[in-house]
Amino acid sequence: EPEVTQTPSHQVTQMGQEVILRCVPISNHLYFYWYRQILGQKVEFLVSFYNNEISEKSEIFDDQFSVERPDGSNFTLKIRSTKLEDSAMYFCASSESGMQPQHFGDGTRLSIL
Amino acid sequence: AQKITQTQPGMFVQEKEAVTLDCTYDTSDPSYGLFWYKQPSSGEMIFLIYQGSYDQQNATEGRYSLNFQKARKSANLVISASQLGDSAMYFCAMREGGRGGADGLTFGKGTHLIIQP
Repeated sequence: EPEVTQTPSHQVTQMGQEVILRCVPISNHLYFYWYRQILGQKVEFLVSFYNNEISEKSEIFDDQFSVERPDGSNFTLKIRSTKLEDSAMYFCASSESGMQPQHFGDGTRLSIL
Repeated sequence: AQKITQTQPGMFVQEKEAVTLDCTYDTSDPSYGLFWYKQPSSGEMIFLIYQGSYDQQNATEGRYSLNFQKARKSANLVISASQLGDSAMYFCAMREGGRGGADGLTFGKGTHLIIQP
């Protein structure tokens, strides 16, 4: 069964550094999403992406964050000038359409030191 | 106000029993979707079942069914014949809006289900 792939599975970064989290959505899916889950808390929506542009973003998704689809398969989340509170599990998801279920990758655990 | 409320932070259930995980939601949008996800201790998010607001019948997927009561704004997940492998966190989530756009999901705080042998 096709799945969403995320790399790396774990990223450790010094505070203030930039990180790029990578995702390969399911190949026939057109809608892409990023979520985060701080340890022990609920999953929070960050941003959605369709037709090469941001469709929706939450108040968490400020100027520190950006997303890009650099080619036909990858979808990336960039976090500039990381802070300790950015430590979380980051999930990428994709869906065939806006109405279809979103399928999640296994996540990238980001640890900011 | 919380958009998704899961009132059971934790549940213990005997193996082979059925279990109901509660979820209530709050929206004024007539078009919405309700989802359940399973998160094992390994951390991945596994899609289980989906119910659209206009669906006439309750959704079912194998041992999972969704008890959708629209007037009460509840979307409880029922797992029949529970197994040890069902032990996990379970999250209820909602997508608002029927525009067909890339709408983000709003998640509840989850229920930690433990199946006991």
